[in-house]
Amino acid sequence: AQSVTQLDSQVPVFEEAPVELRCNYSSSVSVYLFWYVQYPNQGLQLLLKYLSGSTLVKGINGFEAEFNKSQTSFHLRKPSVHISDTAEYFCAVSDRRDSSYKLIFGSGTRLLVRP
Amino acid sequence: DTEVTQTPKHLVMGMTNKKSLKCEQHMGHRAMYWYKQKAKKPPELMFVYSYEKLSINESVPSRFSPECPNSSLLNLHLHALQPEDSALYLCASSQTFGEAIFGSGTRLTVV
Repeated sequence: AQSVTQLDSQVPVFEEAPVELRCNYSSSVSVYLFWYVQYPNQGLQLLLKYLSGSTLVKGINGFEAEFNKSQTSFHLRKPSVHISDTAEYFCAVSDRRDSSYKLIFGSGTRLLVRP
Repeated sequence: DTEVTQTPKHLVMGMTNKKSLKCEQHMGHRAMYWYKQKAKKPPELMFVYSYEKLSINESVPSRFSPECPNSSLLNLHLHALQPEDSALYLCASSQTFGEAIFGSGTRLTVV
């Protein structure tokens, strides 16, 4: 079965600084990867996805991620963060069982943006 | 319409009550999901419906009973829950590769 690992449980950063949230996935022939953001007391919002093609993926709110097959990584980056980016970020991989897909989530990284 | 709508947003129920959570999507997605999320934890998959048929049950206790009346609706029937079942229950739908759109969730408290 697929799995993802988010090594950082919390990442504090100052406003307008760059940030990188790390995600590593278990190796597979084909892999579909996602980053979701969760604000307090809300559901999950899809930030970006990698299904195939270009390894640099751009998403909403100025976030981007790079798929690196040799390092089995899918790190999320933003060049300049805002206070409003404070949230929980989940990396996820799609796992296929029979004819259905399901998302397997990492443990999450809390991004804390300070003024 | 690109949303997944969940009702109610909050629910408090006693251990002997029967209640239902509802989820609706009109994006034509073929798969629908129930996830459970405890505080400070990632979502955990409970059930997957594919083309209105239950395709994955992650060994969820029978006090949780899912139902998919049609391709747009997903229910989760709750009966005789325990306090440890208190959590955020998330519904999601997907068309392909598991790329899921999530609802805002139902915050369930069992007293």
